[in-house]
Order: sequence, then C-alpha cells, then structure tokens
Amino acid sequence: RKEVEQDPGPFNVPEGATVAFNCTYSNSASQSFFWYRQDCRKEPKLLMSVYSSGNEDGRFTAQLNRASQYISLLIRDSKLSDSATYLCVVSPPGDYKLSFGAGTTVTVRA
Amino acid sequence: DTAVSQTPKYLVTQMGNDKSIKCEQNLGHDTMYWYKQDSKKFLKIMFSYNNKELIINETVPNRFSPKSPDKAHLNLHINSLELGDSAVYFCASSPASGTSGGAGQFFGPGTRLTVL
Repeated sequence: RKEVEQDPGPFNVPEGATVAFNCTYSNSASQSFFWYRQDCRKEPKLLMSVYSSGNEDGRFTAQLNRASQYISLLIRDSKLSDSATYLCVVSPPGDYKLSFGAGTTVTVRA
Repeated sequence: DTAVSQTPKYLVTQMGNDKSIKCEQNLGHDTMYWYKQDSKKFLKIMFSYNNKELIINETVPNRFSPKSPDKAHLNLHINSLELGDSAVYFCASSPASGTSGGAGQFFGPGTRLTVL
C-alpha cells in the first residue's frame, strides 16, 4: 500500500465552482500534513499546512480526519489560475522525510 | 531573489557518462534535500543533509553521490548514467527540521535530466 494515495483526477470544473478532493495516508503516527501545488513543468510550492482543527486560507479550506486517516482540500470560487496538480504531503513524527502523493489534477475552464 | 537555485536546468547526456547537478539556497536553512520525480510524477526523497551531515539516504544506487560543502549547497553527482535515471531532480531546503511546525520545504526549479 502506498504511503499517500490521491485520486489523480482530472477534476474539470467551470470558473466559480467549488471543487474538493481527498487523500489518504497509511501511517497512523503521521504528524504533519500539507498541501502543495505543482504547475506544469514547475517545482512544487507549499499551498498550506493542514491543522487538526481544519484551517482556511482565502478560498482554500483544508481538513484533517485522523480517525479515517485522510485529509481534504476544498477550493471555493475556482479561478483559472487554480489549474494545477495538488500534492498531498504527509510526514511521520520526528522525521525529516515528506511522503508525497502522486497528485490530483484540477483544470478550471472559462 | 532566487531562494533555491539549481544548475543546470536541462541536462541531456549519453548513457555511461558522469554528470553533476548543483543546488544552492539563500534562505539560511539548515536542511537540504534531493528528490527525484519520474514520469509518473511521484516525488521520491533521495538524500537529505542537515548542516552538512547526511541524515537521509534512501535506497538509491550508489552511482548517486551527494556532497554538501556547506549548509547552503548540496550537489548531486551521478556516475555511469542509465536510461532509467531520466527524470526531473528537485533540490529543496527547510529550516532546522523537515517540517518545522508547518514551514514545509522550499523547492528549486528542478533539473530535467534526459539520458539517451
């Protein structure tokens, strides 16, 4: 079983729509969780950390469900510029390693 | 100002050659990493150095050898290149620990290696 699994998509949504997707992780001791964004042929960039109580950053909302071992990302009022691959990232406690999912591709159309 | 830089950006070479990729960060971070992203887009950690000391050494062929002359630089040397080494190699850096309370890691622009 992969450490981090994501639905690859693609999620094709119109501008202004809401899109949400999850990722599951296998290590129940994982302690840090992130969403990264990767544009085509570019490097991954940190979008947001995911906290136990859930957190929002503008139009982006991240949730963590430790019991079911998944995290989610919701994008409201999608913009064309939100088109990218979103990488779910998990780290076990006290470890320098980050485990990356293969990414969920989101395409926002006009 | 570029935070994490890599050179070269593109590298095309023949099988059997030896090549190096350089990485530098000006963020004052203590920890640096090398990742490989293959055609299936999985990002896999290869190595990590903390203050010039190797702390992560994943199962990679010993043809790959990292070198950290100081904490701002982490280079990757690859001997006897093989077709399967073709991928994008990303350098990254982070503050004192890998996740550091949510700071995450900062990536360089990547080096696209093609082995012919």
